[in-house]
Amino acid sequence: AQKITQTQPGMFVQEKEAVTLDCTYDTSDPSYGLFWYKQPSSGEMIFLIYQGSYDQQNATEGRYSLNFQKARKSANLVISASQLGDSAMYFCAMRVTGGGNKLTFGTGTQLKVEL
Amino acid sequence: GAGVSQSPSNKVTEKGKDVELRCDPISGHTALYWYRQSLGQGLEFLIYFQGNSAPDKSGLPSDRFSAERTGGSVSTLTIQRTQQEDSAVYLCASSWGDSHRRTDTQYFGPGTRLTVL
Repeated sequence: AQKITQTQPGMFVQEKEAVTLDCTYDTSDPSYGLFWYKQPSSGEMIFLIYQGSYDQQNATEGRYSLNFQKARKSANLVISASQLGDSAMYFCAMRVTGGGNKLTFGTGTQLKVEL
Repeated sequence: GAGVSQSPSNKVTEKGKDVELRCDPISGHTALYWYRQSLGQGLEFLIYFQGNSAPDKSGLPSDRFSAERTGGSVSTLTIQRTQQEDSAVYLCASSWGDSHRRTDTQYFGPGTRLTVL
């Protein structure tokens, strides 16, 4: 079975600072993908970034980057230059190739960006 | 282009009634998913449709839950004899499907908030 663990229920960051949201995962399948989604108070899940288990480099998408440490089974999201609009719930999710196409989600981290 | 749409956005029903929730996926997406988000259980997978293949129903919590996908597009999630523990936000997502396997990112709709009184 797959498991995603997000140990930070809430985080605060000052505007323009960088913040790291933690995610660890557990799977015995060697082929998997890791996703981060943002869920603002409006409720919609917004895809941010993807990392494949065989990718050699850490994924980056604009201000988002993924610190992928395969041996430690961690896939932390780094948001650089935080903005007020980054305040939201952030979910880490995993899909394993041998497990159908479903996503397994962590419990999320509530990020609050302050002035 | 248009994203995933869901209706209704909110549904209040009485315990024991049946409800139907609708999802319109992104045009061209062959895969469609239903998830449930509740305070106690977090985000849970319910069911997955891929093209004409038999759906993966492994996440449905009971036989009161069923889903259809007509014509490979619109999907309806039906909950029969609703219970208070069914209260949650029901999220639909779609993706390109197996032919674009590497990331096959799932794009989510705004959800339907179901309240069972």
